[in-house]
Amino acid sequence: NAGVMQNPRHLVRRRGQEARLRCSPMKGHSHVYWYRQLPEEGLKFMVYLQKENIIDESGMPKERFSAEFPKEGPSILRIQQVVRGDSAAYFCASSPGEQVQFFGPGTRLTVL
Amino acid sequence: EDKVVQSPLSLVVHEGDTVTLNCSYEVTNFRSLLWYKQEKKAPTFLFMLTSSGIEKKSGRLSSILDKKELFSILNITATQTGDSAVYLCAARSNSNYQLIWGAGTKLIIKP
Repeated sequence: NAGVMQNPRHLVRRRGQEARLRCSPMKGHSHVYWYRQLPEEGLKFMVYLQKENIIDESGMPKERFSAEFPKEGPSILRIQQVVRGDSAAYFCASSPGEQVQFFGPGTRLTVL
Repeated sequence: EDKVVQSPLSLVVHEGDTVTLNCSYEVTNFRSLLWYKQEKKAPTFLFMLTSSGIEKKSGRLSSILDKKELFSILNITATQTGDSAVYLCAARSNSNYQLIWGAGTKLIIKP
């Protein structure tokens, strides 16, 4: 059973470009969570999704950021018009219900 | 406001020492507390605690929850250099699916 998969592992973007981060949850998991982590800081919750539904996006900036988890395919975290402050590690986690979350390897976004 | 506080923020010990990491929480309708280990990659799950006073154990790691005093400890005995990591604690409430995360304890084991 493959774990949570994220791609790309590293992403470099110039200011103003778009970043798309993908997350494939573990098989059988229908709950997906996105977190952001700055260097030397803790995990910050961004958004919680179930299939085709955003359950809680209270941790996600209202502008430029969006997330989806379609019926088919991975969950996508999209950041439009990236700025240097968006540089961080973005982790996705999945769970079969409201239980233990299992984390993917993360995507390290660098904005030049 | 719900919060989780971990202490110490960082800790340096020698191989073979025993360490105790602390996690206190203030969470409305507390449901469970989770411990994760994060090396230079994704957090990996260690323990989930829901009941007070019942120790969970995995090898040299063990953890216990005190729901009266609102804290948990993570013990690591006979530490090894491979135990060097950031240890994260998170709490969940019954009324919210979010995990409330502590800032972590950075543990460094010197050979």
